[in-house]
Amino acid sequence: DGGITQSPKYLFRKEGQNVTLSCEQNLNHDAMYWYRQDPGQGLRLIYYSQIVNDFQKGDIAEGYSVSREKKESFPLTVTSAQKNPTAFYLCASRQAISSYEQYFGPGTRLTVT
Amino acid sequence: SQQGEEDPQALSIQEGENATMNCSYKTSINNLQWYRQNSGRGLVHLILIRSNEREKHSGRLRVTLDTSKKSSSLLITASRAADTASYFCATGNSGAGSYQLTFGKGTKLSVIP
Repeated sequence: DGGITQSPKYLFRKEGQNVTLSCEQNLNHDAMYWYRQDPGQGLRLIYYSQIVNDFQKGDIAEGYSVSREKKESFPLTVTSAQKNPTAFYLCASRQAISSYEQYFGPGTRLTVT
Repeated sequence: SQQGEEDPQALSIQEGENATMNCSYKTSINNLQWYRQNSGRGLVHLILIRSNEREKHSGRLRVTLDTSKKSSSLLITASRAADTASYFCATGNSGAGSYQLTFGKGTKLSVIP
């Protein structure tokens, strides 16, 4: 069963704690992306990675960090420096060479209180 | 920054009617994509139209692109209750060896049975 998995679906944290969101894909895609979605809003790009061991900041990277040690995995850490971390986080991947279409995971809803 | 702007923000129609959603964008693009999102879920790719294309069909979907007006429309014919979702346009640009999508805020479609 191919696709992108994100875990957990719901995540609750106290303010001041770092939290890591998981994103795994078995589509053999080269590029992976993290987006943030706030209620009634579109998606905003946090970070993206075109290849293993390389990643670039998106439009709203402040307070977030990522790693890309394996092709299948692109975890996102929401640090305590992120001022307003409560949001819906979506991971996506793309077969960089042959397609522009992005495949999305089911999302993780993070609530920080 | 979000490039695409969908119009209307919300649309409510009866089952069987057609639904038209519009998207405007600001800068030049390589292609434009439409995605669908069911409430609380990830996005699903619907259709891609390249900058040199004017119209594209896929099943009950029809997409048009007018690069001179920097606008696109998505038409869903003979709507069904299952079409109820949010629809996003995303403009694709390549630069500095990377490819990114910029999403609009979406149109929330409600199809009443």
